[in-house]
Amino acid sequence: GAGVSQSPSNKVTEKGKDVELRCDPISGHTALYWYRQSLGQGLEFLIYFQGNSAPDKSGLPSDRFSAERTGGSVSTLTIQRTQQEDSAVYLCASSLGFGGGNEKLFFGSGTQLSVL
Amino acid sequence: QKEVEQDPGPLSVPEGAIVSLNCTYSNSAFQYFMWYRQYSRKGPELLMYTYSSGNKEDGRFTAQVDKSSKYISLFIRDSQPSDSATYLCAMSVLPFQGAQKLVFGQGTRLTINP
Repeated sequence: GAGVSQSPSNKVTEKGKDVELRCDPISGHTALYWYRQSLGQGLEFLIYFQGNSAPDKSGLPSDRFSAERTGGSVSTLTIQRTQQEDSAVYLCASSLGFGGGNEKLFFGSGTQLSVL
Repeated sequence: QKEVEQDPGPLSVPEGAIVSLNCTYSNSAFQYFMWYRQYSRKGPELLMYTYSSGNKEDGRFTAQVDKSSKYISLFIRDSQPSDSATYLCAMSVLPFQGAQKLVFGQGTRLTINP
């Protein structure tokens, strides 16, 4: 498919376990973003990758959250020692990332994370 | 107080009605305004984008910005059941070049009843 692909679509885990969420961006998109969407909340920015530049991690809520992007393509968001408040939909988006303003974000369908 | 406020709804209207969705914001520096539509279990998709004040029309959709009141609206004419979704407003100070500068509202859940 040509869209942003996320896996798994649903993840149920126990409190204290680690989880990994995967994102495959659109081919050729150099910018990749992770957002968190909690019930009744807007999209909360987590982290932003642009090409080979150092990622902007300013939105990560705690040091239990980390993300990497390998080969400028696939990204993995890792949450260590999950807590119940981590339960949310985690959305990945990509864009062309060439600047110039008003880039269009393409979102994946998200991973619904439930921490029991 | 959140930078962007949006009534979460839910909002339920009959098919064919005119729908008005709104956001207010506190940062007067915002200049770029977007509306995203999010269907259930899907990611948001960009619906409309406007710069500064004024109106922009695209088919049945009209985006309106009133910077003096710090208020933006999305109007849907002749609403259809397929318009049922969550609508999120988003805005930024500069031309959007990085998600960290894009601020989203909470989203309004809209249902169009046949």
